[in-house]
Amino acid sequence: EAAVTQSPRNKVAVTGGKVTLSCNQTNNHNNMYWYRQDTGHGLRLIHYSYGAGSTEKGDIPDGYKASRPSQENFSLILELATPSQTSVYFCASGDGGNSYEQYFGPGTRLTVL
Amino acid sequence: AQKVTQTQTSISVMEKTTVTMDCVYETQDSSYFLFWYKQTASGEIVFLIRQDSYKKENATVGHYSLNFQKPKSSIGLIITATQIEDSAVYFCAMRGPYQGGRALIFGTGTTVSVSP
Repeated sequence: EAAVTQSPRNKVAVTGGKVTLSCNQTNNHNNMYWYRQDTGHGLRLIHYSYGAGSTEKGDIPDGYKASRPSQENFSLILELATPSQTSVYFCASGDGGNSYEQYFGPGTRLTVL
Repeated sequence: AQKVTQTQTSISVMEKTTVTMDCVYETQDSSYFLFWYKQTASGEIVFLIRQDSYKKENATVGHYSLNFQKPKSSIGLIITATQIEDSAVYFCAMRGPYQGGRALIFGTGTTVSVSP
């Protein structure tokens, strides 16, 4: 079974502060993704990665950066957090090849005050 | 551009009955992959079932099955013999383009409530 973990699970940040959300996967998938979930929007893609050292912009990348230092780890960085970034963030992994399914982490609930 | 649409926001059913939920999609690709995911009350997102566009047979996994109508660009999810624990939000999704890392494109979800 694929395993994707996220930390922290809950985070309260102040406007203008820096926030880092971390994701770790143990199934050796090449591709990793960051989505955010908001009511009425489903899940939307922020950034993704093809492997260590790779980061690519998704559909809604403004205000976010990403880092993939290793196969296992993928971080989402909010350099200057804003209240509009209050959301639930999900990390996912997939091998992008024959196994088309993606496996999701438990999510991080971020509140920016 | 690819798009996934779920128009049913919520459905309520009695336990042990069948629930059907709709999903329509848009794509220019001749070969594509469709998925259904379940989000539980705890927020966990779990993969349920997948349909490959080139397969004529409807996928079935346990008490989940799909109604794939390719000419209508429709992929419905059918849950038979529902249980209380089937109460959740169900998302329809499509595998995105290679240029987008094969990220999933999601619908907005359908909330299913199963009552005893």
